[in-house]
Amino acid sequence: DARVTQTPRHKVTEMGQEVTMRCQPILGHNTVFWYRQTMMQGLELLAYFRNRAPLDDSGMPKDRFSAEMPDATLATLKIQPSEPRDSAVYFCASGSGTIEDTQYFGPGTRLTVL
Amino acid sequence: RKEVEQDPGPFNVPEGATVAFNCTYSNSASQSFFWYRQDCRKEPKLLMSVYSSGNEDGRFTAQLNRASQYISLLIRDSKLSDSATYLCVVNRGYSTLTFGKGTMLLVSP
Repeated sequence: DARVTQTPRHKVTEMGQEVTMRCQPILGHNTVFWYRQTMMQGLELLAYFRNRAPLDDSGMPKDRFSAEMPDATLATLKIQPSEPRDSAVYFCASGSGTIEDTQYFGPGTRLTVL
Repeated sequence: RKEVEQDPGPFNVPEGATVAFNCTYSNSASQSFFWYRQDCRKEPKLLMSVYSSGNEDGRFTAQLNRASQYISLLIRDSKLSDSATYLCVVNRGYSTLTFGKGTMLLVSP
């Protein structure tokens, strides 16, 4: 049963620290998405990759957030420096890239910045 | 106007009831539509796609009205296990999805 995996599942850190979240997409999927979910805003798209190339990161605060795909089996989302307002659940999802695309979500990383 | 709007609820219904959710979207060029389900503290999962002709999957029926730009989900014979948040989702092109904030359903015994 293929699944998207994410690490860590929970992260508590102090303001100003660097946070790195990792995602392993489903093997064979060529699209990868990073989302952030909060009670106030719901699910927001932060970044989107197709065939490892970043296509859209307009939803991401550029000054502190960065997203990369060093290879087809790993996507990373980094926050440096972290702030309390970054506290949220960060989901990674992958898909096959078709118009009827179903996105499969990982279990999420629950981030708390103190 | 938000891209995808839903009534946040919660909808409180007894087991066996029929419940319907609606959702409106703003981009008339949207090409595909979905309902996702999200359980508490879990990830969203695809419930069903929504087609113009309407589609049914067991107790669940989804409808799309392109002229009015709304999507509906009907759940018949509600079960306790249907308690969750239902997310209306619109594909805005290039495989990117826009999610509504969700409608919470609570089914009670």
